[in-house]
Amino acid sequence: QKEVEQNSGPLSVPEGAIASLNCTYSDRGSQSFFWYRQYSGKSPELIMFIYSNGDKEDGRFTAQLNKASQYVSLLIRDSQPSDSATYLCAVNEKAGGFKTIFGAGTRLFVKA
Amino acid sequence: EAGVAQSPRYKIIEKRQSVAFWCNPISGHATLYWYQQILGQGPKLLIQFQNNGVVDDSQLPKDRFSAERLKGVDSTLKIQPAKLEDSAVYLCASSGMGHLNTEAFFGQGTRLTVV
Repeated sequence: QKEVEQNSGPLSVPEGAIASLNCTYSDRGSQSFFWYRQYSGKSPELIMFIYSNGDKEDGRFTAQLNKASQYVSLLIRDSQPSDSATYLCAVNEKAGGFKTIFGAGTRLFVKA
Repeated sequence: EAGVAQSPRYKIIEKRQSVAFWCNPISGHATLYWYQQILGQGPKLLIQFQNNGVVDDSQLPKDRFSAERLKGVDSTLKIQPAKLEDSAVYLCASSGMGHLNTEAFFGQGTRLTVV
């Protein structure tokens, strides 16, 4: 079982719709969870982090965490074509310094 | 605040040659990571330093890859000898101390092509 799993996609949504991205992780000791966005040919950049169960909202983005189910998600409201990118889920595993492990990423296409 | 600096941006080498990459993290960041990102995949952690000590290198192919962070600041990653499957983007990232919101900041990466 991979440590951090994501559906590779591509996920295609129309402009203005809600995009829902999901991630599961295997290490129950994980402390914090991150969503990064990566445009083609660019480095990952942080969108949000979350470490408490529940929802965390920042503008059009909402991160949701359920530690019991080992599940974290990202909702993008009012999706824009500029949101088209690969979204990487990352987890800080509790292993001698909290190493950051990434999933393979989900490719999102927002159609104008 | 200056970001994570990496060099070179691009490198093309023949298989069995050696190559080295350099990274200078954000000032004051104790944690430094080297990731390998193969096209279409997520970043794979190769090695993590805390100051000048290695925290995790379980995914580093130690027969050909080596990394050091002698003074706890900048770091080099070396591949010797390179194989075709080493073609990837090598990302360096750094983060501050603490475990809850230790966001990793990435450099621009070095794109390695082995021919």
